Amino acid sequence: GENVEQHPSTLSVQEGDSAVIKCTYSDSASNYFPWYKQELGKRPQLIIDIRSNVGEKKDQRIAVTLNKTAKHFSLHITETQPEDSAVYFCAAPNAGGTSYGKLTFGQGTILTVHP
Amino acid sequence: IAGITQAPTSQILAAGRRMTLRCTQDMRHNAMYWYRQDLGLGLRLIHYSNTAGTTGKGEVPDGYSVSRANTDDFPLTLASAVPSQTSVYFCASSGGVGSYNEQFFGPGTRLTVL
Repeated sequence: GENVEQHPSTLSVQEGDSAVIKCTYSDSASNYFPWYKQELGKRPQLIIDIRSNVGEKKDQRIAVTLNKTAKHFSLHITETQPEDSAVYFCAAPNAGGTSYGKLTFGQGTILTVHP
Repeated sequence: IAGITQAPTSQILAAGRRMTLRCTQDMRHNAMYWYRQDLGLGLRLIHYSNTAGTTGKGEVPDGYSVSRANTDDFPLTLASAVPSQTSVYFCASSGGVGSYNEQFFGPGTRLTVL
């Protein structure tokens, strides 16, 4: 099955700075990489995802980059704001890159943005 | 119902008791999942169902069972609860078998086993 490692486990930044969270995966056949944000006491919600046919995807202040050769992908948040404070999870398919939609999640990164 | 719901919101349970966590979605999604979330361990898949009538084991299935009698409902049962099953449980659903779609999560059930 897929193995996903996420770093760092905690990240503290000043408002306006950038934040970067990195994940590595083990299955070279994996082709879909979502990122979820979970605010305190709430459910995880998808914020951005990338498929293996592109190397980068942006949505306003967030972007995800993918390096299939090195088997890692990263979440980039620019101009951070206090409301970005949350736990962020990366994920990758755990079915050999095919079918079924099951995901393996990273361990999570607690991001704190200080005003 | 809008989206995906879970019940109960929270529960305190004596060890050895049987408990069923309920999950219902109205999005007509084929696939449904149960995760447990523990501090520092992220979200771990317990069981999943690709479509009504089928289920499969995830990463941590021991002590849990599921059924999928119809598209909308996917209950999770703890036959004889143990303290290590204290956790927050999330149900999720996604659009289809054979493709990667966004997983939508329910609000979660906080379960404490004493």
